[in-house]
Amino acid sequence: GQQLNQSPQSMFIQEGEDVSMNCTSSSIFNTWLWYKQDPGEGPVLLIALYKAGELTSNGRLTAQFGITRKDSFLNISASIPSDVGIYFCAGITGGGNKLTFGTGTQLKVEL
Amino acid sequence: NAGVTQTPKFQVLKTGQSMTLQCAQDMNHNSMYWYRQDPGMGLRLIYYSASEGTTDKGEVPNGYNVSRLNKREFSLRLESAAPSQTSVYFCASSEVQGSTEAFFGQGTRLTVV
Repeated sequence: GQQLNQSPQSMFIQEGEDVSMNCTSSSIFNTWLWYKQDPGEGPVLLIALYKAGELTSNGRLTAQFGITRKDSFLNISASIPSDVGIYFCAGITGGGNKLTFGTGTQLKVEL
Repeated sequence: NAGVTQTPKFQVLKTGQSMTLQCAQDMNHNSMYWYRQDPGMGLRLIYYSASEGTTDKGEVPNGYNVSRLNKREFSLRLESAAPSQTSVYFCASSEVQGSTEAFFGQGTRLTVV
């Protein structure tokens, strides 16, 4: 099946630092999504991207839909302790019938 | 506003036992999904239901069955649990199949010993 690879797998950063993570696929997706999962909770949608090259922000978060439609990037600026969690990318193909999730990036923030 | 509710939150089963995970949503969504989450593997789709009365296999359906009881409820059944089914299970719903805003429940942590 389709696979979405996220990197890095985990990262430990200082409060106030900027964070970058990415998601790559061997397949083309028509929609890219970024979710965040807090410990003991289900994932919550952060940003949705619908068009190749699109750049969308949500507060301190900015995500981009790669030109090749096979990748996406998420940046978090000036990280704070509540940014801790697992970030998942997800893609929807042209058929639009299900989300394929990435392997996740675990973010830990040092005070 | 409850959203997506899963029960139970935790469960321990012995190998070979059966159980049903329950999921209900109060958002009048058409589509519902069951995922399992394992370390380092993200969320993998087990089964989904695009609308009431229909169900389809996802990426990892073996060992599971589902029932879309009505528009609100979508249950996942393990007929004969195996240790490989130890995982965290999430139910989700969305307005239409493939809609970007999929809402997730809090998860069921299942251990099979």
